[in-house]
Formats: sequence, structure tokens, C-alpha cells
Amino acid sequence: DADVTQTPRNRITKTGKRIMLECSQTKGHDRMYWYRQDPGLGLRLIYYSFDVKDINKGEISDGYSVSRQAQAKFSLSLESAIPNQTALYFCATSDLFGGRSEKLFFGSGTQLSVL
Amino acid sequence: GQNIDQPTEMTATEGAIVQINCTYQTSGFNGLFWYQQHAGEAPTFLSYNVLDGLEEKGRFSSFLSRSKGYSYLLLKELQMKDSASYLCAVRAEGGYSTLTFGKGTMLLVSP
Repeated sequence: DADVTQTPRNRITKTGKRIMLECSQTKGHDRMYWYRQDPGLGLRLIYYSFDVKDINKGEISDGYSVSRQAQAKFSLSLESAIPNQTALYFCATSDLFGGRSEKLFFGSGTQLSVL
Repeated sequence: GQNIDQPTEMTATEGAIVQINCTYQTSGFNGLFWYQQHAGEAPTFLSYNVLDGLEEKGRFSSFLSRSKGYSYLLLKELQMKDSASYLCAVRAEGGYSTLTFGKGTMLLVSP
């Protein structure tokens, strides 16, 4: 079983619809992240959470919101989807060891298409 | 702010050696990571450097020079399965910092 699970794997929706992408993890990590990946632009951070009570905006948070329901669950919402939110979305987790060396573990990704 | 540059594409031949460079300008520095990403898949961790020098792990090595804001990933004895995108990522200083990724280098290995 995957340690970081994203659902759905693929989603096609229409402009203006509300969409939720879900992420759950069994790694026991405190830190969770949502990234989007666009061709030619690389991975960009949308939101991140360092524990259940902590939510932080990333580089490109406009148009998105998140909810950290539990240590293991972190969901991303698009309140009113627009075509330029078409992208590959990744959830990731990490743990901090002695303040250093924090590698990310990624889910398999959600390909979202907004028509 | 953070700025990370790496070549967009590279090509190499099976069995050869290839070096993928990454230069960065960041507000503080607390580590540089390399990730590998095959098409349609999630990135996976390759290496981590926080001190100057070379870290070797099998066919892959990663080098860091903090004074020059420069790193490279060296892949030896290239195999077809090494065709992938290679992502350079930098962590700024501080326990609450996150990783900033470069745009990735697409490596194509040909027979």
C-alpha cells in the first residue's frame, strides 16, 4: 500500500465547480504539502501544514483553500475552478530530523482538468 | 526570494556519464535536494547536500559549493531507465522553511 495516497487520480470538471482533492498518509509525518506541477514551470507550493493546527500559504495560494482534518489527512479545495487551474497536483509529507534533512515523500498525483 | 536555474533538457547515450547543473540564489540556505521524476509519476528523493563536497550513492553523485551557489548531479553508466526529469530543490534557512524547486531538467538517454 502507498504511504501517501491521493484521490482521485484523475478528474475532469467544468469552470465554476467546487472540487476537493484528498490526501492521506500512513507515514506518521507531521508536515504535509500541496504542490501543483505545470509543464515548463516545475513544482510550485500551494499550501503547507506543519501540524494539525497549522496552515500556511505557499507561493500560489490564490483560488485554493485547504483543511487539515487530522495528522494523516490534508485536503485541497478549489472553490470555483477555472481553466488555468488545470495541472498535476501532488500531495507530499515530510518529517523533521534534528532541524535538518527533510526529504519529501510524494503521492501519485491528481491530474485535474478544468474545462 | 529564491531563484533556481537548471537546464531544460539534456541528451546522453547509454553507458555514458552526464552532469546536470543547478545554480541557486536564495535568502539563506539549509540544504539542497535532487529528485528524480519519471513521466507521469511522482518525484522520488535522490540526494541531499548541506555541506560543501561530493556525496556518492551508487551510480549517482551530487556536489555542492555553497559559496558559488552551485550544485551538480552526476549520473554514471547511464541506463535507459535514467530517462527522466531531474529536479533541483533548495531549502532556505530555518526550521519552518519549505523546499523551492527548480523547473527540472529532462534527461533523455538514447541507445
